[in-house]
Amino acid sequence: GQNIDQPTEMTATEGAIVQINCTYQTSGFNGLFWYQQHAGEAPTFLSYNVLDGLEEKGRFSSFLSRSKGYSYLLLKELQMKDSASYLCAEGSGTYKYIFGTGTRLKVLA
Amino acid sequence: DTGVSQDPRHKITKRGQNVTFRCDPISEHNRLYWYRQTLGQGPEFLTYFQNEAQLEKSRLLSDRFSAERPKGSFSTLEIQRTEQGDSAMYLCASSLAAAADPLHFGNGTRLTVT
Repeated sequence: GQNIDQPTEMTATEGAIVQINCTYQTSGFNGLFWYQQHAGEAPTFLSYNVLDGLEEKGRFSSFLSRSKGYSYLLLKELQMKDSASYLCAEGSGTYKYIFGTGTRLKVLA
Repeated sequence: DTGVSQDPRHKITKRGQNVTFRCDPISEHNRLYWYRQTLGQGPEFLTYFQNEAQLEKSRLLSDRFSAERPKGSFSTLEIQRTEQGDSAMYLCASSLAAAADPLHFGNGTRLTVT
């Protein structure tokens, strides 16, 4: 099957660090993507992992462990504008992308 | 790069009517995807095209839904005999034919079926 699990909601304080986890089970794995979606807007691409390890992009980093079917998105130095939904998406061997339900992050002052 | 554009932005229709949405992908992108999203959920895969060929369609998708991409450029999604459960945001996305290329989403068409 292609089940993707991520927490529904998280809350963190401005300036803090937050880690959003994602687990997946699928065959034909072809990469793990993270997207950000502000309310009422389209998802926008944040990061991509296909090999094990950490990919860093400024305040955002993403980690992948293929053997564990696990990824996380790490957000550092949180800002109010980071309040959004964060979507984990798995690329299949047929280039179909399956999304999780998303994690709604609230950043508090 | 003008981005992915979708038309209309909003559509209100009565149950039983047919509706058609259009998506214009980024010009050099040969893959085009349709997703549906309801409040509090992630995008749900509907179908995708590589050039003009429809390569995969969700098994959950009713026969009332059909999509075309006749010349490998823009695409249309038609829903026949709409039902209230069809109310959702319909998102179109495009990408290059490369594994690492992410989806680029349009702003979506919000459908309300009354």
